This record gives sequence, structure tokens and C-alpha cells, in this order.
Amino acid sequence: QQQVKQSPQSLIVQKGGISIINCAYENTAFDYFPWYQQFPGKGPALLIAIRPDVSEKKEGRFTISFNKSAKQFSLHIMDSQPGDSATYFCAASMVGYQKVTFGTGTKLQVIP
Amino acid sequence: GAGVSQSPRYKVAKRGQDVALRCDPISGHVSLFWYQQALGQGPEFLTYFQNEAQLDKSGLPSDRFFAERPEGSVSTLKIQRTQQEDSAVYLCASSFDWGEQYFGPGTRLTVT
Repeated sequence: QQQVKQSPQSLIVQKGGISIINCAYENTAFDYFPWYQQFPGKGPALLIAIRPDVSEKKEGRFTISFNKSAKQFSLHIMDSQPGDSATYFCAASMVGYQKVTFGTGTKLQVIP
Repeated sequence: GAGVSQSPRYKVAKRGQDVALRCDPISGHVSLFWYQQALGQGPEFLTYFQNEAQLDKSGLPSDRFFAERPEGSVSTLKIQRTQQEDSAVYLCASSFDWGEQYFGPGTRLTVT
């Protein structure tokens, strides 16, 4: 049972372009939606997170858009750089529960 | 220490062997988590400790998996009678109470 669905599986973007990764969730009890970045041989690291009481959150070049009625959220990476090449995971959890449910990941490659 | 550390980084076990994977969380972090990450997939929750108490072990796939954190700091994940399907990266994360989870680099287990 996959509670957080993520697409695309892989993504190639030119330097300076916009990278967009989409996620959808099923469990309406989820109320915290983080995005993680993982480089090869490393553990995931928190990139940015949002709660469903806001529709958008921006931190530098990274923006989360959230659509509560559609149960969808997305990550936009503006001005993508080769150093952004990594695997990105969306995730979801519930306040009061420490368990984080991850999506299947998107491998991003930013080419010069 | 500077971050979450895990040892060994790589482990090869013959099917049927027992293995023990160690996690050293960030000093002072109350919560500790274990995740299993299969190749090309997102991490999947295994178990969670608050100090020495194991509060959630709903993700442990079978009774061959056992985790402990006897003094509320270092944790060990033990897998008995390893099977090929146990091959994965095992990630440990820690957090200060309900805060951000910081992940270690993982232990890559290969069962032959």
C-alpha cells in the first residue's frame, strides 16, 4: 500500500531550468509534508517542509506548492544547478506520530 | 559528534547468518528511528525509540528483526537468519523530541 505516490521517477533538466516533482497522498490524516534530498552514499537530508494550512512555501530556489483538496503537493527548483543533481523524496507524516512515510523518489540530473 | 554515525558502512552476510548494525545518534537527541531503503526506493519506517523505550515497531518486517537502545543513546538493529530479501540500506535517524530527523549515511547490507 503506497500512501505517497511520486512522479516522475527520473528527470533531466538543463542548467538554469525549472525542475518540478509531483506527489500525491491518500491519507487525509497527514498534516506535515517534508521534502528530502539524498546524494549517493549519504542519508536523506531535509530540504523544505510545509503544513496544509498554507498553499505555498518558498526557501531560496526551492518552492513547495500544496493543494489540500486534490491531496497533491509539488517541489519546484528554480534556476536548477548541477549541484542539485540528487534523488528527491517527498514524504508525509502526522502530528503526534514520528513515523515518516516516503515517496519512491525522483532522480534529478541537471546538465550544464 | 557532528552527525549521526552508523557502522559498519557495508556488510556482506551469507544467508542464514545473524547481523548487528549500530547507530550513534546526535548527542542529546531523544528520538531514534530505523528505516530500510531498498535499491531505487524510498526509505521505509522500521521502528522508533524515545530514549530507551521502543514506542513503535510496526514496520519491522518479521520477528527476525530486533532493535534495542538500552541506555537511550546508541542503538543496535539485529537481523537474525538473514534472507536475500533483507538486502538493503539500513538508515538510522535521530531527532530532538519532535523536531527534524537527521539521517546517518546508512549501512548497506548484502545477503548472498
